[in-house]
Amino acid sequence: GAGVSQTPSNKVTEKGKYVELRCDPISGHTALYWYRQSLGQGPEFLIYFQGTGAADDSGLPNDRFFAVRPEGSVSTLKIQRTERGDSAVYLCASSITGTSGVGTDTQYFGPGTRLTVL
Amino acid sequence: DAKTTQPNSMESNEEEPVHLPCNHSTISGTDYIHWYRQLPSQGPEYVIHGLTSNVNNRMASLAIAEDRKSSTLILHRATLRDAAVYYCILRDVLIYGGSQGNLIFGKGTKLSVKP
Repeated sequence: GAGVSQTPSNKVTEKGKYVELRCDPISGHTALYWYRQSLGQGPEFLIYFQGTGAADDSGLPNDRFFAVRPEGSVSTLKIQRTERGDSAVYLCASSITGTSGVGTDTQYFGPGTRLTVL
Repeated sequence: DAKTTQPNSMESNEEEPVHLPCNHSTISGTDYIHWYRQLPSQGPEYVIHGLTSNVNNRMASLAIAEDRKSSTLILHRATLRDAAVYYCILRDVLIYGGSQGNLIFGKGTKLSVKP
């Protein structure tokens, strides 16, 4: 079946501009995660949705970052007034939250969106 | 989640076995050991997980020390496609879909496979 998809695959923007990154999770997955990965580092958590609501947004670096998931499927990560330090690969993952707890929950990742802020 | 320690890099020859170590000396009794890998220019992908017993699947085997303070991911015959960064991650089985559902990645081990 279809995996997690992310669009665009690459986004180049100028400092100060607004960008939106889209994530289409696997159908039926209630949990959706956004991560950010800088060069040479492991992915860092940004925000986690359970259904339509943000269960944990503690990883968002500041109030320029915002994410929504209005119908419990597709999610959009929004970045206002982009800065050069926002340049990174933004990864989305989805999972079925198992009844045995997240200790056994597998996350499926998309290919990521490479954001470059000039 | 408890912290894990992995070597920065390892090398292997194609078609030879690879043993990727992970230390997790502060692991709790309810932490599962998960392994993900990230191929170049791709998102991470799940490899295997276990709690106490050794585990096998089509991709790899996971050997867990008796005291659970370390584990080893075993690729039985490395291929060029196995060149990736491998992440060892601990996840608490008691946390159900709550605020700590996210994965906490370290820097992982970069595996190079030589033909």
